[in-house]
Amino acid sequence: AQTVTQSQPEMSVQEAETVTLSCTYDTSENNYYLFWYKQPPSRQMILVIRQEAYKQQNATENRFSVNFQKAAKSFSLKISDSQLGDTAMYFCAFGADSNYQLIWGAGTKLIIKP
Amino acid sequence: GAVVSQHPSWVICKSGTSVKIECRSLDFQATTMFWYRQFPKQSLMLMATSNEGSKATYEQGVEKDKFLINHASLTLSTLTVTSAHPEDSSFYICSAPRDRAYGYTFGSGTRLTVV
Repeated sequence: AQTVTQSQPEMSVQEAETVTLSCTYDTSENNYYLFWYKQPPSRQMILVIRQEAYKQQNATENRFSVNFQKAAKSFSLKISDSQLGDTAMYFCAFGADSNYQLIWGAGTKLIIKP
Repeated sequence: GAVVSQHPSWVICKSGTSVKIECRSLDFQATTMFWYRQFPKQSLMLMATSNEGSKATYEQGVEKDKFLINHASLTLSTLTVTSAHPEDSSFYICSAPRDRAYGYTFGSGTRLTVV
């Protein structure tokens, strides 16, 4: 069975700083996808970034980038130049290519301080 | 694109009554819909998976008779909480996988309060 672990329940940084959220996973699947979702106070789930396991290049979306280490089964999210609007819960999720069900991490509460 | 409209956003109901939550895919056909429950400050807990035209698959520990899921068309999936009790109060979210390239689309969630 697949598992996703987020070991940081809460993090807090100053605005404009860089922050890295960690995520590790366990799977025996060869083909899979990894996601970071953001859930702001509105509770709407928003896709931040995704990574296909077969791609070695780390995904990047503006200020958001990942460090995907397939052998180590690690998928961390780096937020550069953090903004107040980045304050939210961040969830790491795993999706095997063999089915559409997502496996979720426990989440990290990120607080950006002014 | 890829919008899932979830209604109602919030609902308060009396114990013993039933509440229906609807999720509609507005610009794509959702053959599969995931229904989640989320407790405060916790992650998403998968309740069931609905597939258009077939019976829903429930996760272990989820009462099928209490949480009725129907996926009658490619654009509509519903969750009915029957004979609701205060312990059913929670935040319920639906999600449809569009394709791997776009990830998953989520409804805006329903906050259910049973009094």
